[in-house]
Amino acid sequence: GNSVTQMEGPVTLSEEAFLTINCTYTATGYPSLFWYVQYPGEGLQLLLKATKADDKGSNKGFEATYRKETTSFHLEKGSVQVSDSAVYFCALSDDGANSKLTFGKGITLSVRP
Amino acid sequence: SQTIHQWPATLVQPVGSPLSLECTVEGTSNPNLYWYRQAAGRGLQLLFYSVGIGQISSEVPQNLSASRPQDRQFILSSKKLLLSDSGFYLCAWGGPQAYEAFFGQGTRLTVV
Repeated sequence: GNSVTQMEGPVTLSEEAFLTINCTYTATGYPSLFWYVQYPGEGLQLLLKATKADDKGSNKGFEATYRKETTSFHLEKGSVQVSDSAVYFCALSDDGANSKLTFGKGITLSVRP
Repeated sequence: SQTIHQWPATLVQPVGSPLSLECTVEGTSNPNLYWYRQAAGRGLQLLFYSVGIGQISSEVPQNLSASRPQDRQFILSSKKLLLSDSGFYLCAWGGPQAYEAFFGQGTRLTVV
């Protein structure tokens, strides 16, 4: 079955540091890939997505590129802010447009002023 | 625009008591609907999903059940709660031809 593996956390960075959060996946077919963000006490918000190989998703300064050859979808941001402190989840959808998602375990990011 | 409502936001229930969590979606029709549970340090686990009224698929055997009495209403229930049912429950919806899902604000359930 499908699975998503995220790097172990938590991650603590200073403001304006560069961020990379690794995500690799196992799936049959051609899944779509997503990053979701969860702020304390809230539900999940879609941060960015990519629906086919070599697509780059981007939003709020975050980027991730769908790499089929390495089955990866790493999240990056050039300069993090305190307001980026949250839990980040990598996810994939089943092959086909049905919005049924498989999630990684999530990683907590804390950004210090 | 589409919105999703989930309530209550927090709930403390004794072991053995019943449970009913409700989720409704506005601004769309015939959505796919999902219940996820988030346990501490374990990510999100898909519990149930529904592609239409009365159509429920269960992903994991458990003490919970789901129902979809109306097109945009999804209910999570239990007859007798266990301590292990504690967690953060999230409802989500996706369009029939959409890839992503959109989440409600969640319900924090504590079983004592």
